Amino acid sequence: AQSVSQHNHHVILSEAASLELGCNYSYGGTVNLFWYVQYPGQHLQLLLKYFSGDPLVKGIKGFEAEFIKSKFSFNLRKPSVQWSDTAEYFCAVNAQGGKLIFGQGTELSVKP
Amino acid sequence: EAGVVQSPRYKIIEKKQPVAFWCNPISGHNTLYWYRQNLGQGPELLIRYENEEAVDDSQLPKDRFSAERLKGVDSTLKIQPAELGDSAVYLCASSLDRYRQETQYFGPGTRLLVL
Repeated sequence: AQSVSQHNHHVILSEAASLELGCNYSYGGTVNLFWYVQYPGQHLQLLLKYFSGDPLVKGIKGFEAEFIKSKFSFNLRKPSVQWSDTAEYFCAVNAQGGKLIFGQGTELSVKP
Repeated sequence: EAGVVQSPRYKIIEKKQPVAFWCNPISGHNTLYWYRQNLGQGPELLIRYENEEAVDDSQLPKDRFSAERLKGVDSTLKIQPAELGDSAVYLCASSLDRYRQETQYFGPGTRLLVL
């Protein structure tokens, strides 16, 4: 069965620190990969997605993610976080015609 | 463009009571999804509709859960009777067409508390 694993449950950073959130998935075929973000009190929003092509994907608000097929990974990065990046981040995989498999989420707290 | 609309936003009921959630997807989106998100977890798919047809309901607990999508637009998810373990956030999402692997857009969710 497909699964998605997010390595960190809660990450605490100071402003301007660099961020990397890990995401690994288990599926041997073609996948579409997503990062969603949920800001406090708001709904899930798409941060970025990978369908094909350049494995380095750039999203909104300075976020990027790199798809490494050999490692089954899709890690999320940001060079310098801001207090407003405080949110919960979900990695998700779509490999069966529409069904999204989500990781358990990583809560990011950025201290001003 | 309006997003996915869900109501109610919050619901508190006693166990064994029925409850219903409503979803209005983004206009023109053929595919509609219901997810359940337990505390500290990512969303899990309950049911997926392609227009008015349920094409994946394998994760829906059919003894107490039911769903419908009349005319391929709005959808209702019902629980009867509710159990304590049903406390969760119920999310609705929609996308243009699952075959083209379109992005899913989520609504704000309904937070259910069963006492």
